[in-house]
Amino acid sequence: QSVLTQPPSASGAPGQSVTISCSGSSSNIGSNTVNWYQQLPGTAPKLLIYSNNQRPSGVPDRFSGSKSGTSGSLAISGLQSEDEADYYCAAWDDRLHGPAFGGGTKVTVL
Amino acid sequence: QVQLVESGGGVVQPGGSLRLSCAASGFSFSSYGMIWVRQAPGKGLEWVAFIRFDGSDKYYADSVKGRFTTSRDNSKNTLYLQMNSLRAEDTALYYCAKEMGGGVSSPGNWGQGTLVTVSS
Repeated sequence: QSVLTQPPSASGAPGQSVTISCSGSSSNIGSNTVNWYQQLPGTAPKLLIYSNNQRPSGVPDRFSGSKSGTSGSLAISGLQSEDEADYYCAAWDDRLHGPAFGGGTKVTVL
Repeated sequence: QVQLVESGGGVVQPGGSLRLSCAASGFSFSSYGMIWVRQAPGKGLEWVAFIRFDGSDKYYADSVKGRFTTSRDNSKNTLYLQMNSLRAEDTALYYCAKEMGGGVSSPGNWGQGTLVTVSS
């Protein structure tokens, strides 16, 4: 149902890495940049990655993003317990004239 | 720093109306497009509406088109969402967000949200 497609869940042990994929189309990821948001339980989403691979100040460099064609990905290295959250990708959609969101990926630290 | 504070949520019967407000501070409100995003209980994020910095263009998700109207008062640094003909499926936490700027219209900063419950 979401415009962008993400896996519903991902997990890893502390210290390990996880990668979350985000698949879109030519009207969104294919022609615009990808953002990633982190939503901790009970809180508002927070911008984690913008313009495919840029981190706002304060975001650890354990978080990195990339984009290729109509897909984006978020990598989290050195997993920590505080990384347990929902992660959403988004990209402006030229047909919607609004941001398209992925359905969210719940990251669990085992 | 950027601050966005939503208000106006509450419980409303199906078919009723509600107006949400988003008070902005810490940035030049009149220079940025603004976005409404909602999140139904236990669900993901859904874009609702976008309004350009000067109010010249407004866009809506198909799910709310014809029922919701967004507007802004740049003299009061306030964004609005008028919601009419509300349905049970409109029940959600409604966030306002500031666009990133620099040619990127996706949400940057978010408010804490205001809860709208549509129920009889």
